[in-house]
Amino acid sequence: GENVEQHPSTLSVQEGDSAVIKCTYSDSASNYFPWYKQELGKGPQLIIDIRSNVGEKKDQRIAVTLNKTAKHFSLHITETQPEDSAVYFCAAIGGGFKTIFGAGTRLFVKA
Amino acid sequence: GAVVSQHPSRVICKSGTSVKIECRSLDFQATTMFWYRQFPKQSLMLMATSNEGSKATYEQGVEKDKFLINHASLTLSTLTVTSAHPEDSSFYICSARDPAANNEQFFGPGTRLTVL
Repeated sequence: GENVEQHPSTLSVQEGDSAVIKCTYSDSASNYFPWYKQELGKGPQLIIDIRSNVGEKKDQRIAVTLNKTAKHFSLHITETQPEDSAVYFCAAIGGGFKTIFGAGTRLFVKA
Repeated sequence: GAVVSQHPSRVICKSGTSVKIECRSLDFQATTMFWYRQFPKQSLMLMATSNEGSKATYEQGVEKDKFLINHASLTLSTLTVTSAHPEDSSFYICSARDPAANNEQFFGPGTRLTVL
């Protein structure tokens, strides 16, 4: 069935360093790839997304890249800050409109 | 972005009782809402897709008679956990798609259910 793999499961970086989270998807019909940030006890919040007709998108310190051929997309956070610490989920949505989530990455930004 | 609310945010109940969780889209109409369940340190697991005016579509392994879903209007979906047991304790999250925002999915803040 459809699957999204996410790595790493845990990521610890120093404040100011960059963080990269990678995901791969199995459904070639997937055409929308959102990234969510979830803080403890809260629902996921959309932080950036990318559609299949675009290879890269950037919003201030956050960027996402997509390689459709490899079925691979990544989240890049630059100049990390302690408030970036959270769990990040990638997701893929295909023609069935069902969102398939990755397992999540717990990001720790050390001050 | 659009706002999705959930009520209650936390609920504690005794085994055998039923609990209703409400999910509302506050500033848009959502023909489709989704209900997820999340265990500690795990990802979101889709339980069912709630369609306004029709029956919900349940994922494999989710008991429709235990998790009753009603999508009575374009802004409200409810999830009722019937005859709750301690193993039903979890974080329940709803989401809604906004057709006017390219069907972007917005999540509620979640409901923490604890069954004693």
